[in-house]
Amino acid sequence: KNQVEQSPQSLIILEGKNCTLQCNYTVSPFSNLRWYKQDTGRGPVSLTIMTFSENTKSNGRYTATLDADTKQSSLHITASQLSDSASYICVVSGPSGGYNKLIFGAGTRLAVHP
Amino acid sequence: DAGITQSPRYKITETGRQVTLMCHQTWSHSYMFWYRQDLGHGLRLIYYSAAADITDKGEVPDGYVVSRSKTENFPLTLESATRSQTSVYFCASSESINQPQHFGDGTRLSIL
Repeated sequence: KNQVEQSPQSLIILEGKNCTLQCNYTVSPFSNLRWYKQDTGRGPVSLTIMTFSENTKSNGRYTATLDADTKQSSLHITASQLSDSASYICVVSGPSGGYNKLIFGAGTRLAVHP
Repeated sequence: DAGITQSPRYKITETGRQVTLMCHQTWSHSYMFWYRQDLGHGLRLIYYSAAADITDKGEVPDGYVVSRSKTENFPLTLESATRSQTSVYFCASSESINQPQHFGDGTRLSIL
């Protein structure tokens, strides 16, 4: 069964610190891997999209890495800010039945404290 | 302003009633999607549409109906609401299946 698992479920860090969120998937074959940020009460917003041939992609203080061999991705947040408090969702896209299907992880809830 | 908007933002209704959630996008994106988000679960696809008059089932379509007579609108109807359909519903659009999805801010639906 195609699955996307994220860890940890929740995380608390102090403002200014770095953190890394993990995403393991069993989707195979897959087309691309996405990270989204979801603020409380809002819809998810795209941070990065990586194809299987890309190892790393950055968006400001967010850097996503991908290891297609081990089916693992991570999202690294540098110099965290209070506004980084949100849920971070990993999404894997894989071909299924002739069309791509997005499989969403349950997310990691990050709280940044002053 | 350009974007994707959902209405209403909040809705309370009773079991057995019909309710329609609206979604409107101004980008003329081909693809539109409906998801539900429940605690402890990732977003789950209900229906999606590749273009006007083309719709297809997602992972959890039972109890829902969609239509897409115009590119910019993609309403979701619960024909006879059940308590298990209490959830937060998100609409999204994208230019193509491999492009980022743009999400609305959701409709929080409670069925009593």
